Amino acid sequence: KAGVTQTPRYLIKTRGQQVTLSCSPISGHRSVSWYQQTPGQGLQFLFEYFSETQRNKGNFPGRFSGRQFSNSRSEMNVSTLELGDSALYLCASSRDGLAGGYNEQFFGPGTRLTVL
Amino acid sequence: KNEVEQSPQNLTAQEGEFITINCSYSVGISALHWLQQHPGGGIVSLFMLSSGKKKHGRLIATINIQEKHSSLHITASHPRDSAVYICAVDGRNKLIFGTGTLLAVQP
Repeated sequence: KAGVTQTPRYLIKTRGQQVTLSCSPISGHRSVSWYQQTPGQGLQFLFEYFSETQRNKGNFPGRFSGRQFSNSRSEMNVSTLELGDSALYLCASSRDGLAGGYNEQFFGPGTRLTVL
Repeated sequence: KNEVEQSPQNLTAQEGEFITINCSYSVGISALHWLQQHPGGGIVSLFMLSSGKKKHGRLIATINIQEKHSSLHITASHPRDSAVYICAVDGRNKLIFGTGTLLAVQP
């Protein structure tokens, strides 16, 4: 089975721009969760999508948004980028999702975003 | 106080040593995850458990729901075990992460 893939792997943007990151889950997984990892804050939960619906959201501003398509692929968008958005963005797929029956998380390699 | 606390933050061991990493949490959970992250960022799920004990090769994870505590043990440690180990709890419909334990195993 192919693993979770994320594109692009590296991205450099400037303040004020917007960015879209993509995540393709493992085949058959309906849940995609997004996480931000920074040296200062560690790993933080952004949001979870399950069957095209946002089911849970972390404590991030509205500039962070996402969506999920019918094939379970998910995109995350960050608008009006700030320097503090520089981070490793990870997605993970799981069969049943958070609060579901079986929620082992399979992580993608991440997208490293640098905001200048 | 963080909802998920890990100890120690840093750990250096000699090859062959028995290693224990601890995780305590203060929220109600449906499951606890142990994750491994190597330099470069890739994260691998080691265990997901909601009770008792699980074992994969040289790795053992235990959880005590009443005490809100979990441990990850590595037997016969090897330099390839060097990584960051992260505890995460599945609580309130989101994953809450510990700050991680940086393990260095020296030959």
